[in-house]
Amino acid sequence: QVQLQESGPGLVKPSETLSLTCSVSGDSDSMSGSNWSWIRQTPGRGLEWIGYIFQSGTANYNLSLKGRATISMDTSRKQFSLRLKSVTAADSALYYCAREIHYYDYGGHISYWYFDVWGRGALVTVSS
Amino acid sequence: DIQVTQSPSFLSASVGDRVTITCRASQDISSFLAWFQQTPGKAPKLLIYAASTLQSGVPSRFSGSGSGTEFTLTISSLQPEDFATYYCQQLNDYPRTFGQGTKVEIK
Repeated sequence: QVQLQESGPGLVKPSETLSLTCSVSGDSDSMSGSNWSWIRQTPGRGLEWIGYIFQSGTANYNLSLKGRATISMDTSRKQFSLRLKSVTAADSALYYCAREIHYYDYGGHISYWYFDVWGRGALVTVSS
Repeated sequence: DIQVTQSPSFLSASVGDRVTITCRASQDISSFLAWFQQTPGKAPKLLIYAASTLQSGVPSRFSGSGSGTEFTLTISSLQPEDFATYYCQQLNDYPRTFGQGTKVEIK
């Protein structure tokens, strides 16, 4: 059973860089074949997908973040990380890491992706 | 981006009631839709993926249906532990987008 745990500073100053790490535990080969994602949640904007990284190092980001986000991975340590630069108060949120896996429907020849495991969340406040 | 709109935003119901939540996508997303349940202080929990496939361990009173642009989540007989906020999410394209949530409250 894969488990995820976010860690990182809970307070970041405006214009600085937010850094969070997600540690993956459980299945010994748990980082292969999945998209490792970051999602944030605020009362005003709801749930917002930030981006993902695949085991190959390929990453995909929400363009709404205007190039401020970088996701990296260290498979040897079973961790992946988020860096969000030039933060403002609008980046204050509860940040979740999550695993996106796929199920292949052989009958329909379709892959269905879904987020099956989430961390408990890390609250980050941007304030001076 | 694909917009996902849920209705209603709030729902008041009693234990034992049949509850239906609707999710509409701004374009055809086939069956690439998931439903989550979130209780206060917890991460979203996957209930259904591929529009109608029940995630392992989720009670059978939860069901999902729909394809294209209109989807529904049904709870056949609401239990006390089901009072929560429910979200739909489209997985047809990136960025993945979520509905704004439906809060199910006790009547």
